[in-house]
Amino acid sequence: NAGVTQTPKFRILKIGQSMTLQCTQDMNHNYMYWYRQDPGMGLKLIYYSVGAGITDKGEVPNGYNVSRSTTEDFPLRLELAAPSQTSVYFCASSDPGREGAFFGQGTRLTVV
Amino acid sequence: GEDVEQSLFLSVREGDSSVINCTYTDSSSTYLYWYKQEPGAGLQLLTYIFSNMDMKQDQRLTVLLNKKDKHLSLRIADTQTGDSAIYFCAETHTGTASKLTFGTGTRLQVTL
Repeated sequence: NAGVTQTPKFRILKIGQSMTLQCTQDMNHNYMYWYRQDPGMGLKLIYYSVGAGITDKGEVPNGYNVSRSTTEDFPLRLELAAPSQTSVYFCASSDPGREGAFFGQGTRLTVV
Repeated sequence: GEDVEQSLFLSVREGDSSVINCTYTDSSSTYLYWYKQEPGAGLQLLTYIFSNMDMKQDQRLTVLLNKKDKHLSLRIADTQTGDSAIYFCAETHTGTASKLTFGTGTRLQVTL
């Protein structure tokens, strides 16, 4: 049981480039999330999804897009990378209830 | 709005007890969580407490919730060097797709 898997683990982008951060989960969870973690800060919610075909903005959505075509996958797209998007990105999944969210290992992104 | 606050740093000696504190502002919080993050890793759910409980014990971990003061604490008994990590408290409440609001994290340093 792999849980939540994120790829890549590390990436360096140049300003203006685009990329997709991949996230997949094998727990059949309905809810999926993307968070970013900046140094010395907690995690901030970028986007979330409550099921296939349904997505919504979180606290810091600007500069990002998501899609949810299947229950398993929830990719995060950066269209025009900016230095302010240098961060560690975490994907998570959960089901309604008490168990909390399960997190991937993170993608460390640097924009130069 | 929702706000979750933690002290930034705690240092304890191996074998002593650690107490990590958290305050939150949202009185409608349903579940409160403690997550552990080791260097370069994702977040690992340690324990959680439902908002109508005062205390929960799980092996070396004790969670105390004072709902009146909106104060949550995590006590780690017999702290070991392997407990060195960043600890995040987080809250969620019903009707919000289980979105988590995180504190800024407390770095626990265990010394010999």
